[in-house]
Amino acid sequence: AQKITQTQPGMFVQEKEAVTLDCTYDTSDPSYGLFWYKQPSSGEMIFLIYQGSYDQQNATEGRYSLNFQKARKSANLVISASQLGDSAMYFCAMREGPSNYQLIWGAGTKLIIKP
Amino acid sequence: DADVTQTPRNRITKTGKRIMLECSQTKGHDRMYWYRQDPGLGLRLIYYSFDVKDINKGEISDGYSVSRQAQAKFSLSLESAIPNQTALYFCATSDERERSEQFFGPGTRLTVL
Repeated sequence: AQKITQTQPGMFVQEKEAVTLDCTYDTSDPSYGLFWYKQPSSGEMIFLIYQGSYDQQNATEGRYSLNFQKARKSANLVISASQLGDSAMYFCAMREGPSNYQLIWGAGTKLIIKP
Repeated sequence: DADVTQTPRNRITKTGKRIMLECSQTKGHDRMYWYRQDPGLGLRLIYYSFDVKDINKGEISDGYSVSRQAQAKFSLSLESAIPNQTALYFCATSDERERSEQFFGPGTRLTVL
């Protein structure tokens, strides 16, 4: 079974609109962490935001926020006021367990921002 | 200067050749990782190392080997390259904190003909 599922292979969004990228995960470990990375067309992987399973509040980093719904096992990335430079692949990844530093990755969502 | 560097950035080789991809980091991290990325599949872990004396296989280690020459250097070898090893390869590092993100190198695009 897929541990990380990103159901949107591609999305088109109008510039300045908010966008939500979906990520659902599957784990039985009570301790885990969820990461979002951005990969622009140039290829580098850029860390965006982290959410720990025991965090009381949803993570936020500038225009990025995480809609963390633990019971639903979802960790959707929300980008507010999208910009043309947000066009990229976005990956969700999970670390299972407190001492396991391997990341399990989703297949990614390709986001295109339209002017 | 980049914190995580990879050489070469691009490589075209032929089936059966031995290839080494190198990774260096200046972040002072103990933990280093090698991933491959294929279209539509996200990243898959090949090998990881938590210190110089600790090497572990990841999800897809068959056909690959690694060497951790120093804290800052972690190399990936393809002993006998085959076409389905054509992919984008990333090196990454992290520290020991539970919340630590992984820092990625720029990637090596490898084509095996």
